[in-house]
Amino acid sequence: EPEVTQTPSHQVTQMGQEVILRCVPISNHLYFYWYRQILGQKVEFLVSFYNNEISEKSEIFDDQFSVERPDGSNFTLKIRSTKLEDSAMYFCASLPTKDGTEAFFGQGTRLTVV
Amino acid sequence: AQKVTQAQTEISVVEKEDVTLDCVYETRDTTYYLFWYKQPPSGELVFLIRRNSFDEQNEISGRYSWNFQKSTSSFNFTITASQVVDSAVYFCALRRGQGGSEKLVFGKGTKLTVNP
Repeated sequence: EPEVTQTPSHQVTQMGQEVILRCVPISNHLYFYWYRQILGQKVEFLVSFYNNEISEKSEIFDDQFSVERPDGSNFTLKIRSTKLEDSAMYFCASLPTKDGTEAFFGQGTRLTVV
Repeated sequence: AQKVTQAQTEISVVEKEDVTLDCVYETRDTTYYLFWYKQPPSGELVFLIRRNSFDEQNEISGRYSWNFQKSTSSFNFTITASQVVDSAVYFCALRRGQGGSEKLVFGKGTKLTVNP
């Protein structure tokens, strides 16, 4: 069964460093998302991406965040200068269409900023 | 604005008990979708069910059942004869219908512990 793959599963980084979280969505999907879950809290929407541009972003997704799909398969989330409060589980998700099909989530990347 | 409320933060039951997880949602849309996801201790999000706003039929899948009531804006989830493997955090989520944002709005989750 096709699945969304995220790497790495766990990343530890120093405060102020840049990190790139990687996702390989399901191959025929067109809509891509990043969500964040701070430990013990709810899952929060960060950004949606379609046709090589951001279609929607939350207030969490400030200038230190960026996304891109550099090669038609990978979908990346970059955090330019990490802060302690960026420590969270980051989930990538994809959808084939906008018609209400359930989002397919990756297994998540746990980011720890020290 | 869209909102999902899961008032039960934690529930603890003994194996074989039935348990119902509550979900109440708020939306001004006439078309929307509701979801339940399971998050086991390993951390991934596992899709359980999707229901659209036009379909109020209840659904049963094995030991799982869902009760969707538009009149009370609720989409409750019942596990019958619970098992230890059901221990997880369960999230209810809402998204707008066609033409609207496709982002999911999650509730805070209910942590279910099933004890042997």
